[in-house]
Amino acid sequence: DAMVIQNPRYQVTQFGKPVTLSCSQTLNHNVMYWYQQKSSQAPKLLFHYYDKDFNNEADTPDNFQSRRPNTSFCFLDIRSPGLGDAAMYLCATSRDDGGWETQYFGPGTRLLVL
Amino acid sequence: QKEVEQDPGPLSVPEGAIVSLNCTYSNSAFQYFMWYRQYSRKGPELLMYTYSSGNKEDGRFTAQVDKSSKYISLFIRDSQPSDSATYLCAMSGSSRDDKIIFGKGTRLHILP
Repeated sequence: DAMVIQNPRYQVTQFGKPVTLSCSQTLNHNVMYWYQQKSSQAPKLLFHYYDKDFNNEADTPDNFQSRRPNTSFCFLDIRSPGLGDAAMYLCATSRDDGGWETQYFGPGTRLLVL
Repeated sequence: QKEVEQDPGPLSVPEGAIVSLNCTYSNSAFQYFMWYRQYSRKGPELLMYTYSSGNKEDGRFTAQVDKSSKYISLFIRDSQPSDSATYLCAMSGSSRDDKIIFGKGTRLHILP
């Protein structure tokens, strides 16, 4: 089945220790998104890519970076995680036909910062 | 005023009841209206979406959009314990560059 895959599903890191979350997709969608979702909160868009064209949200902290080496993979790097970065990180994809398209979400990576 | 308002619940109803979930919004430019279901510790799953005003039905689920009142609803008929989840409303404009704006979600418990 075509899908959005996120690894790992759970990640524990120490305060200040860099961490990388990964997302892959078999849908062949050229748009990919990273969202942060804290408990009982709406998902918050961090970044998105139209193919390799990177788009950063204005309020995404500098501590967060992203890479998309090819169509199928996208990575979220947190350079120095703080306690406030503990959250669920969601990857999503959509087609790009020039207008609105449905977003398909992965299962998420739950990040715990000790 | 937030762009999208959604009562967080929790909402508890007995099995078999009709469930009504609602959101209000302030941005009249929204054209697409979505409902996502999110089980605990999982990613959101798109249930259905509607373009502009009107109703859409899919099995036990019905989505309604009233653009004049800036109010959207999701109805679940014959609710089942497996419907217990958080339901997120979401909406966006019709342009490629329009972001999806999510509500915070309503936690729903269906009691057996």
